Amino acid sequence: GAGVSQSPSNKVTEKGKDVELRCDPISGHTALYWYRQSLGQGLEFLIYFQGNSAPDKSGLPSDRFSAERTGGSVSTLTIQRTQQEDSAVYLCASSPGGGGTQHFGDGTRLSIL
Amino acid sequence: ELKVEQNPLFLSMQEGKNYTIYCNYSTTSDRLYWYRQDPGKSLESLFVLLSNGAVKQEGRLMASLDTKARLSTLHITAAVHDLSATYFCAVAYGGATNKLIFGTGTLLAVQP
Repeated sequence: GAGVSQSPSNKVTEKGKDVELRCDPISGHTALYWYRQSLGQGLEFLIYFQGNSAPDKSGLPSDRFSAERTGGSVSTLTIQRTQQEDSAVYLCASSPGGGGTQHFGDGTRLSIL
Repeated sequence: ELKVEQNPLFLSMQEGKNYTIYCNYSTTSDRLYWYRQDPGKSLESLFVLLSNGAVKQEGRLMASLDTKARLSTLHITAAVHDLSATYFCAVAYGGATNKLIFGTGTLLAVQP
């Protein structure tokens, strides 16, 4: 596709449930990032993938959060046992790598009841 | 710890006026970005600034970078209503990983 695609656009779930968020980066982009945007914390880095290298997980807030990137393309962010403080917009971005500009998807708005 | 501070947080201005948004950061970085976000939308890349003294302009927006002062500015000239949005600066860290630390954002409201 022309841009970064994220699904679902909105997700409402009950506290304690697991959720999976999907990101399809721009074709050919080797770098993929997840960020979180919330009212209290602003925009925060979560995790970074570059090609087949081990991901940089330094921004993940707890061990309930994990992410995978299969085949160097699509990425899934999983949140287990969701808590109300996980409510936020989760943004995915991709770049050509090597410090290129990151292009963002429209995000997934996650609401935990 | 890398911190990025933006001010003002909120800016209400009239069409035709000029104003500047400031972005200060606490440690050295070789890349600084400006993004625009419309309500309910994602982030749109505006500028990337790579070196001291860099200046980039697009329409009524001009961004500059002073790496010695660790300061970037986004100047708005003769504002129009279509510029109403939230503007974020973001500083790259982590070397080649190019992770971004974002400022708090500036909500710009241009009144007709």
